[in-house]
Amino acid sequence: DGGITQSPKYLFRKEGQNVTLSCEQNLNHDAMYWYRQDPGQGLRLIYYSQIVNDFQKGDIAEGYSVSREKKESFPLTVTSAQKNPTAFYLCASSLRQRDRWDEQYFGPGTRLTVT
Amino acid sequence: SQQGEEDPQALSIQEGENATMNCSYKTSINNLQWYRQNSGRGLVHLILIRSNEREKHSGRLRVTLDTSKKSSSLLITASRAADTASYFCATSLTTSGTYKYIFGTGTRLKVLA
Repeated sequence: DGGITQSPKYLFRKEGQNVTLSCEQNLNHDAMYWYRQDPGQGLRLIYYSQIVNDFQKGDIAEGYSVSREKKESFPLTVTSAQKNPTAFYLCASSLRQRDRWDEQYFGPGTRLTVT
Repeated sequence: SQQGEEDPQALSIQEGENATMNCSYKTSINNLQWYRQNSGRGLVHLILIRSNEREKHSGRLRVTLDTSKKSSSLLITASRAADTASYFCATSLTTSGTYKYIFGTGTRLKVLA
């Protein structure tokens, strides 16, 4: 059963604590992405990785960090430096075929609440 | 602002009617995609149209792309209550050798039974 899994579904943390969100895919996709979605808004790109051991900052990378040690895993750490971390976090992956990139497959999301 | 801007922001129709959503973007693209998101869930890919295509169909979905106007439309025919969701367009583009997807702000569609 292929797909992308994110865990946990809901996460609660106290302000000042770092927290790591998990994202795993068994689709053998090259690229993986992290997005943040705030209520009633679209998706904003945090980080993305096109290949193992390489990743690039997206539009809102400040206060976040990632790693890509394995093709199937792309964890996101929300650090205490992120000023407003409460949001819905979505992980996605896509397959690269030659120079063509196709649709993204999304995980179910993690809703992070920081108080 | 976002690369993709959907219009309208919200749409409410009766079951059986058609729903049309529009997306405008700013820069040259490789392709444009439409996604659906049910409340509190991840996004699901609906359809992809490449920059050299003008129209594409998939079941009750019809997508058009006008690269001269930098716009796309998504038509859902004979809508059902189960079509109630938010719909996003995403443009894919290559910048500085990397490949990115940029999402619009979405259209919230409500289909009344």
